[in-house]
Amino acid sequence: QQPVQSPQAVILREGEDAVINCSSSKALYSVHWYRQKHGEAPVFLMILLKGGEQKGHEKISASFNEKKQQSSLYLTASQLSYSGTYFCGTAPAGGTSYGKLTFGQGTILTVHP
Amino acid sequence: NAGVTQTPKFQVLKTGQSMTLQCAQDMNHNSMYWYRQDPGMGLRLIYYSASEGTTDKGEVPNGYNVSRLNKREFSLRLESAAPSQTSVYFCASSEPKTRQGPNIQYFGAGTRLSVL
Repeated sequence: QQPVQSPQAVILREGEDAVINCSSSKALYSVHWYRQKHGEAPVFLMILLKGGEQKGHEKISASFNEKKQQSSLYLTASQLSYSGTYFCGTAPAGGTSYGKLTFGQGTILTVHP
Repeated sequence: NAGVTQTPKFQVLKTGQSMTLQCAQDMNHNSMYWYRQDPGMGLRLIYYSASEGTTDKGEVPNGYNVSRLNKREFSLRLESAAPSQTSVYFCASSEPKTRQGPNIQYFGAGTRLSVL
């Protein structure tokens, strides 16, 4: 079952902050975040493996709450280059998924000057 | 270093025609994947191959077949194309360290397929 992302779309002005959430109905082993520019391939941003872990990439960071089966992506002081669609990809805890990820439906982020 | 290469980039088919989408990676990855991307649906896994010689169904395998030709190449075949298969198709590869380990997937540029 696909993880659910919220919101579906966000519109920002340069310098504003945004949070994108990813929720799963299953226990998770890891959460991956990808960004896709229009007409291009998804590009890996970061991976979170442990409960409560936070990672950072430029001014983009993320957290993973293992107990709540949720992850959040934080974009601070947004730049025009942050525009795109953000996807979370989840790997379930236990089992033998062997690298398979289930992706959310995506959040469209638009940053205006 | 090309990464993941997909061909063709664009294709238009008539209903009932067949075609094969090609994918090759030069990162020596064991695992390869085929996804389709439709508006509002995100990326849905069609088939994957954990290693050379193995393939397995993903979330939406109906109407597709795959071949893991060797470690580098993983092809997706549409035997009798239908309008519902109009989509953008992405191939990806990765090297999971363990059966459930970190798994960064690297994507090709995509194939935009229209079935009329």
